[in-house]
Order: sequence, then C-alpha cells, then structure tokens
Amino acid sequence: AQSVAQPEDQVNVAEGNPLTVKCTYSVSGNPYLFWYVQYPNRGLQFLLKYITGDNLVKGSYGFEAEFNKSQTSFHLKKPSALVSDSALYFCAARGGYSTLTFGKGTMLLVSP
Amino acid sequence: DTAVSQTPKYLVTQMGNDKSIKCEQNLGHDTMYWYKQDSKKFLKIMFSYNNKELIINETVPNRFSPKSPDKAHLNLHINSLELGDSAVYFCASSRGDRPLSYEQYFGPGTRLTVT
Repeated sequence: AQSVAQPEDQVNVAEGNPLTVKCTYSVSGNPYLFWYVQYPNRGLQFLLKYITGDNLVKGSYGFEAEFNKSQTSFHLKKPSALVSDSALYFCAARGGYSTLTFGKGTMLLVSP
Repeated sequence: DTAVSQTPKYLVTQMGNDKSIKCEQNLGHDTMYWYKQDSKKFLKIMFSYNNKELIINETVPNRFSPKSPDKAHLNLHINSLELGDSAVYFCASSRGDRPLSYEQYFGPGTRLTVT
C-alpha cells in the first residue's frame, strides 16, 4: 500500500526566512508527487507537481520542491517566507494504478 | 468564475436524515472525485467518476451514493446520517484519471454536522 508521511504537524518560521516542509512517500512504480495548500475554510489549491525530469520543481507563489529519489522525499521550499503563506500544506503521491494519497498535512505559521 | 462549486457550504442535520451535496465543475474535466476531510484534517478519497462512470469506490458505507448526471456534475447522497459522518466533504475534478500526472482542482467544501 502506498503512503505519504509529513513528519511535522507544524512548522514555524519568521517572515523573510527560508522555509521547508518535509514529505516522504512510498508508492509502487514511478512516483507522481504533488503539493497542495489549504487556507482556512477553503478547498485545497494545487501548488506544484513532479512527474519526471528536473529534481527541482517550481510552482505557484514562489514555492519549489526538491525530488530526491534515493531518500523518497519531496520537500517543499521557499527562499523567503511571507505571513500570507501561513496555511495547511498537503503532500500527495500516486503511482502504479493507485489513487492519490495525501499526507496528514503540515501547518505552516509565518510570524511577522 | 468558480471552477469547482459545491452546495450547500454548510449542512446541519439530525441523525437518521437523508441529505445531498451537489458539485459542479466548469473546467471541462473528465474526472470528478469526492473526498472526506475529518476533524484532524486527514483527507481520504471516497469516490471517483470518469465520464459519468464510477472508477473508484473506496471502503465507504453503502449509505453514501454518488450520482453523476453528466460529466460536469457529481452529487453525493447520504442516507441515514450518523454522527460519524460529520466532516468536510470536498469535490474535486481533473482532466482525467490517466495519466497519473493530472492535478486535481478542489471545490470550497461542504461542512456537514450531524447532531
């Protein structure tokens, strides 16, 4: 069975500092990896995805993610955090013929 | 323009009642999904339809029945509501279920409270 782990329930960072939200996955075959963001009382919004090719993927709002096959990781990063980035972030993965599996989410809090 | 819309946004009802949630997408997508998000924010897929045909039916009580009148709509009907059904239900759509690389677009959610 496939799985997605987000080891941190919450990440705290000061505005202007770099941020990293961690994600590791386990899927069969080639992985298709996604990051979504959920603002309070809103639906999930797609940020970026990894299909194949460059290990560094760039997405919306200045976010990027680094795919590491040997560590089966897909960490979300941003060079300079904004207070408005505060939200719940979900990593998701699928492979083979499986459905999309989501991690439990990581709350990002950016302080002014 | 709203890409994926759901109605109602809030639904409060008593145990034993039957209720429906409607979902519509105007993205021209072929595949639609229903997800359940529990109180701990854990997100789990319930159903998936591709061109009006059911392709995924996860372990969900048969009190839940999806219906897709056309590929732009996927409604969720719930019979005999139970306290444990209280959650936020999200509709989503994507261009297709294959290839696996298609991202999904989510509606705003319907918060169901069963009392």
